[in-house]
Amino acid sequence: TAGITQAPTSQILAAGRSMTLRCTQDMRHNAMYWYRQDLGLGLRLIHYSNTAGTTGKGEVPDGYSVSRANTDDFPLTLASAVPSQTSVYFCASSVSGYNEQFFGPGTRLTVL
Amino acid sequence: AQSVTQLGSHVSVSEGALVLLRCNYSSSVPPYLFWYVQYPNQGLQLLLKYTSAATLVKGINGFEAEFKKSETSFHLTKPSAHMSDAAEYFCAVSVTGGFKTIFGAGTRLFVKA
Repeated sequence: TAGITQAPTSQILAAGRSMTLRCTQDMRHNAMYWYRQDLGLGLRLIHYSNTAGTTGKGEVPDGYSVSRANTDDFPLTLASAVPSQTSVYFCASSVSGYNEQFFGPGTRLTVL
Repeated sequence: AQSVTQLGSHVSVSEGALVLLRCNYSSSVPPYLFWYVQYPNQGLQLLLKYTSAATLVKGINGFEAEFKKSETSFHLTKPSAHMSDAAEYFCAVSVTGGFKTIFGAGTRLFVKA
C-alpha cells in the first residue's frame, strides 16, 4: 500500500496566489493532520480532522483552510500566500487522535 | 493539557558510543508516548511507543526507551551508535480519548566517525 501521498513534492508560489496541497491516505484512518515544519520550531499543527466531515484548528491555522469530504483526502488550501508561509508541509494520519501517526513525504513550499 | 520537552536541540556522539536523547513530558492523565525519527528530506516515522504496558519499550533499529512516571521522562537510548542513526528525533505525547498529539521541538543527532 502507498500509505500517505502528498502532492506536489515542491512548489514555488508568487505571493498573493492561492494553492492547494493535496494529501491522500489509503489506510482508512479516521484522523488526519496538517503540520508545518520550520527550522528551530519543530512541527506545528495547522489543522486536523478527527473523522470525515469534521475539522478543527491547530496551533497555527491563520491563512490556511482544510476540508474533509471523505475519509481518504484532506487538502490544505492557502487562499492568498505570503512569504511567511514558506515551509515544509507534512500531512499525517492515525487510526484515532491519540494513536501513532503516519506521515507523508512532505511538500516543500516557497512563497516569493 | 499535555506538553513535552526535549533537552538539547543537538547531540553529537562518536560511532559505537551510547546514544541518549532526553524527553520529559507533562500530562494530568496517563499518557501515550512516542519517539519518531526523521531522516533528511523525509517524513517522520515511528521508532517506538509506550501505551501503558511494559515500561521498557523496544523499537526499531536497536533503540529503546523507558517510561519513568516518577521522573516524567521517556528518554531514548541505543547502546552503540551507527552512522546511519544520524537524523532528527522527536518525542511526542497524547492521551486516550484525545484528538491531538503534542510533539517536542526535536533533537538532531550527529554521529562522528
